[in-house]
Amino acid sequence: DMKVTQMPRYLIKRMGENVLLECGQDMSHETMYWYRQDPGLGLQLIYISYDVDSNSEGDIPKGYRVSRKKREHFSLILDSAKTNQTSVYFCASRKTGAGNTLYFGEGSRLIVV
Amino acid sequence: GDQVEQSPSALSLHEGTGSALRCNFTTTMRAVQWFQQNSRGSLINLFYLASGTKENGRLKSTFNSKESYSTLHIRDAQLEDSGTYFCAAEPYPGWQLIFGSGTQLTVMP
Repeated sequence: DMKVTQMPRYLIKRMGENVLLECGQDMSHETMYWYRQDPGLGLQLIYISYDVDSNSEGDIPKGYRVSRKKREHFSLILDSAKTNQTSVYFCASRKTGAGNTLYFGEGSRLIVV
Repeated sequence: GDQVEQSPSALSLHEGTGSALRCNFTTTMRAVQWFQQNSRGSLINLFYLASGTKENGRLKSTFNSKESYSTLHIRDAQLEDSGTYFCAAEPYPGWQLIFGSGTQLTVMP
């Protein structure tokens, strides 16, 4: 079953707390992504991972870090969450190479109060 | 500046009618994908194009790399087509995807 799974789906955190968003895929895709979606701004790339321990910053990496220790898992970490990090976070994966479509998870809604 | 410009930002259609969404690119793109985000927030892949035209049911998409644009045509719109449609383009080099800001489509009875 081709699936990208995100956990948790909903999360409320206080400002300054740490946040861990987890993403898994069962397709052995090399490339994985973390995006955030805010109203009117579409999806903005936070980080991209090309394989285990091969991660690159996207357009808005500040305030985030990632971890990819297994090909199937890609984590997004917020150390000391801020209110402006309230958003919906999407993980996605794809097989590296031209012609390969992107598969999205269902999203994780984070509220920082 | 924005590399992917999507228009219109919002669109209302009556059932049975059709229209086109467009994305213009400010740099050369290798490929484009189109997604629908439904009412539950899920992003569904509609098309992947490296060139030319693809059709699937009532949807048809074209990607013209030389002229830097892509279109998504919807015909015979149905209520379930409502949602937000995004294009996402792959610039050279690398495997990033840059998203447009989306078109919010409302299909009315």
